[in-house]
Parts: sequence; structure tokens; C-alpha cells
Amino acid sequence: GQQVMQIPQYQHVQEGEDFTTYCNSSTTLSNIQWYKQRPGGHPVFLIQLVKSGEVKKQKRLTFQFGEAKKNSSLHITATQTTDVGTYFCAGRTGRRALTFGSGTRLQVQP
Amino acid sequence: SQTIHQWPATLVQPVGSPLSLECTVEGTSNPNLYWYRQAAGRGLQLLFYSVGIGQISSEVPQNLSASRPQDRQFILSSKKLLLSDSGFYLCACRDGNLYEQYFGPGTRLTVT
Repeated sequence: GQQVMQIPQYQHVQEGEDFTTYCNSSTTLSNIQWYKQRPGGHPVFLIQLVKSGEVKKQKRLTFQFGEAKKNSSLHITATQTTDVGTYFCAGRTGRRALTFGSGTRLQVQP
Repeated sequence: SQTIHQWPATLVQPVGSPLSLECTVEGTSNPNLYWYRQAAGRGLQLLFYSVGIGQISSEVPQNLSASRPQDRQFILSSKKLLLSDSGFYLCACRDGNLYEQYFGPGTRLTVT
């Protein structure tokens, strides 16, 4: 079945440093979504990417979808303490339900 | 906008006891509904999803079952809980016209 893997599992950065998490799928995706889960909270939708090579930005967050539509990345520039949480990618193939990656937990040291 | 209600927020149950978790949705009709389980510090495992009343798809064979008796009600059940059923249970909803999933606040289940 479809698998979505994320690396790293955990990253600890100093406030102001950049952060990147990578997502890889075993199959070609029709789209990929990113979610953020704050500690003790529930996942909240951030963005969806659909097109091959697509790049989208939300303030300090940059999302990319690979040319082959099998990988994606989320880059945060100049992290802040409010960025703390776990970031999940989630891929969809056709009409199937989303498959979530294992997540990357980000800790930001003030 | 959609609002998802889940209760209870936390639950401690002994091994072998039954379980019933309820999820209700407001602000949409005929949504796709999902149950996920998240083990401590881990990712989201899709358990069940439903595209309509009485329609349930199971993603992982296990000790749990799901039902959708009404359009905006999704129930997760077990006849006999196992220790491995402990986790954070999240209900999610997707409006068929949109692509993002909205998650409820979750139920933290501890089986002792």
C-alpha cells in the first residue's frame, strides 16, 4: 500500500534558525497537504499542493511539491517559538483517503 | 465553517471494557468523515472513513468498529478494549467540495 515517510523525526533549533522537513511517497500523488499540530492539540490544515514543481509561500513558510509528485518539503525561515509543533505531510492518490506521514516534531529554543 | 465536536476529552478504561466515542459535525452536510488514532509522539493512523450514512470503510483490521447512523454523526466502538487501543483518537471531516480536512479536539484514551 501507499507509504508516506517524513524526515527528520525531530529537530531542535535555536530561534531565528531555519528549519526544513521532507516528505517522500512510495507512489505518485495527486496532491499533498501539510498540517501543523501544536503540543496537546489537533492537526490544523496549512496548505495543499497539486501541480508538479509547485511552490507556495505563507509568510515565513515555503512549501514545495516535487517534479515527479512523489516528494515535498516545508521550509520555515527564521523560526519563532510559535512554530513549535509537529508538522505532517499527507498525500492522496486518486480518490483514496489521505495517507499521513509520521510527522516532524519541531522544538524552538528561545 | 465546519465545527467538529468530540467527547469525552479524556477517558480511562480497563482492559476488556467496551468503548463508544462520538463525533458530531456542524456547518456542513454530507461530509466525508474519518477516525484516526495517534499513539504518543507518533503519526496519524487512519482507522475508518465514511462517505455517507451507513457507509464505512475500514483501513486497518483491528479490535474497533465504526458506524454512521446520521449524516453528521460518526461513532467509534469496541466491545473489549486492549492495552494497545490506548491513544489519541481524532475525528476529521472533509466537505466534498473542499480538499482540506478539519479535525476535532480529540479524545485521549488510556486503557489500563
